[in-house]
Amino acid sequence: GENVEQHPSTLSVQEGDSAVIKCTYSDSASNYFPWYKQELGKRPQLIIDIRSNVGEKKDQRIAVTLNKTAKHFSLHITETQPEDSAVYFCAALTSGTYKYIFGTGTRLKVLA
Amino acid sequence: EAQVTQNPRYLITVTGKKLTVTCSQNMNHEYMSWYRQDPGLGLRQIYYSMNVEVTDKGDVPEGYKVSRKEKRNFPLILESPSPNQTSLYFCASSPGRQASYNEQFFGPGTRLTVL
Repeated sequence: GENVEQHPSTLSVQEGDSAVIKCTYSDSASNYFPWYKQELGKRPQLIIDIRSNVGEKKDQRIAVTLNKTAKHFSLHITETQPEDSAVYFCAALTSGTYKYIFGTGTRLKVLA
Repeated sequence: EAQVTQNPRYLITVTGKKLTVTCSQNMNHEYMSWYRQDPGLGLRQIYYSMNVEVTDKGDVPEGYKVSRKEKRNFPLILESPSPNQTSLYFCASSPGRQASYNEQFFGPGTRLTVL
């Protein structure tokens, strides 16, 4: 079945450094890729998303890149801050249905 | 205030005792979905609904039922809960017919324990 692999599972960076989280999807017809941030004890919240007809999207310190040929997409956070510490999930929407497949999450720790 | 609500927020029950977790949204969203979250497994979609009376299976539908009789409500039903359904459950909704391109808004979560 459809699958989304996410790496790394944990990531520690120094404040001010960049963080990169990578996801690979299996369904080549997937066409929408959101990223969610979940703080401890809270609900997931969308931070950025990208559609299959776009290669890159930026929103201030956050960017997402998509490589359709390789079937992978990445989240880039620059100038990390302690409030960026959270679990991040990638997801892919399977084409032809409206079923979401999520990655297993990355716990990001930004060290002050 | 625009929101997705779930009830109850916490529930401890016993194997085999039918239960319903309610989900309601006040944003007139067409797309609604249920997820379970387990450590190391991320979020897994249980069921989703594109509109009233239209529901489809997600990745892990076994042991669950849903209904969408009204646009605002999407209850999750566990007819005979088992311990492996102990989990954190999230309801989510997103607007419009182009659900694939719209942000999902999540409810606060329901922590279910089945003994």
